[in-house]
Amino acid sequence: EAGVAQSPRYKIIEKRQSVAFWCNPISGHATLYWYQQILGQGPKLLIQFQNNGVVDDSQLPKDRFSAERLKGVDSTLKIQPAKLEDSAVYLCASSRTGGFTEAFFGQGTRLTVV
Amino acid sequence: GENVEQHPSTLSVQEGDSAVIKCTYSDSASNYFPWYKQELGKRPQLIIDIRSNVGEKKDQRIAVTLNKTAKHFSLHITETQPEDSAVYFCAASGGFQKLVFGTGTRLLVSP
Repeated sequence: EAGVAQSPRYKIIEKRQSVAFWCNPISGHATLYWYQQILGQGPKLLIQFQNNGVVDDSQLPKDRFSAERLKGVDSTLKIQPAKLEDSAVYLCASSRTGGFTEAFFGQGTRLTVV
Repeated sequence: GENVEQHPSTLSVQEGDSAVIKCTYSDSASNYFPWYKQELGKRPQLIIDIRSNVGEKKDQRIAVTLNKTAKHFSLHITETQPEDSAVYFCAASGGFQKLVFGTGTRLLVSP
């Protein structure tokens, strides 16, 4: 089966610019996660979708970050405006049925804000 | 919400030794506990998981134990090999099915 696809792989932007990341989960997976992984740290959950509804977004900085999941399949994560501290790898993951089954990760998008 | 703590942050062992990584969680409703391995520059990949109705699970050189009363679980790697060198993350999932990760353990296996 095809894995989780993410794009772009790398992105460099200046602070205060905007950026968007795209994720295509494994077919049939109801749950989609966006994680932020700062170098040397564990993945931090930003938002979790179940189909096209939000399960949790308690750690999403809503003044600058937004996310949507179109028709319960693809998802986009946007940052506007970006700050230097947003430099990180943004990982998308999907699983069949929420937090009780294996989450498969995409390759991630490495964002550098200068 | 769920909080997962992981220790140690770094672990150095000689090839052939055993390695143990420990995690604690805060949400008593958590009932799924996966472990992920992340090699440098790569995505995290599941190596073993355990559900709350099981106290121990083993897969070749890797085992995980769970103590629900104490709210902690551990990863055990026996007969370590240089290719085991990586960062290992524990995670917990429970209320609202959130999947929360620990801070990671960098394991270095020296030949």
